[in-house]
Amino acid sequence: NAGVTQTPKFRILKIGQSMTLQCTQDMNHNYMYWYRQDPGMGLKLIYYSVGAGITDKGEVPNGYNVSRSTTEDFPLRLELAAPSQTSVYFCASTDKSSGNTIYFGEGSWLTVV
Amino acid sequence: QKEVEQNSGPLSVPEGAIASLNCTYSDRGSQSFFWYRQYSGKSPELIMSIYSNGDKEDGRFTAQLNKASQYVSLLIRDSQPSDSATYLCAVNQRGNQFYFGTGTSLTVIP
Repeated sequence: NAGVTQTPKFRILKIGQSMTLQCTQDMNHNYMYWYRQDPGMGLKLIYYSVGAGITDKGEVPNGYNVSRSTTEDFPLRLELAAPSQTSVYFCASTDKSSGNTIYFGEGSWLTVV
Repeated sequence: QKEVEQNSGPLSVPEGAIASLNCTYSDRGSQSFFWYRQYSGKSPELIMSIYSNGDKEDGRFTAQLNKASQYVSLLIRDSQPSDSATYLCAVNQRGNQFYFGTGTSLTVIP
């Protein structure tokens, strides 16, 4: 009963480094999302995808890239990490089959120093 | 104007009381409405979903939707200390775009 799985859970990056946050879901959902949540703040949409091969920018896409080569996987790439990217990142998915309810992964805590 | 607005709180209620959480949204085309609970350091988890005007009850939780007023609320009856968390209102618009409020922090005092 995995749902949405994110890795890694915690990571410390140095300024200028790059990394990929992995996200996979086993619910056969077409729609997948990446959000970031800064301390005490709400969720901000970074990128989303409506199906394999289709991605689009959300509210705060700068400094990030995504790909969606399969229905299951939606990795988020951080290029040239900056302290402003220190945040908690949540991957999520949904589909009509789940009543359009959005399901979240457990989160990835990223610190850029 | 923000897509979804919530009172940030914090909201404090005594144990056993009713907690009332409110949310307004800007897009009349919004189709689905959700309340998520988020404990500190955890991911949001679904509490309630509501799709049509009126009330929907699930145990101690009641969601209320008024599309004419663009207003959705969550009532928690017999509040327990374990209900202490941040509650996020989410609205689903066309094309499966989800917008979240900034959350209301609730503390239930034993």
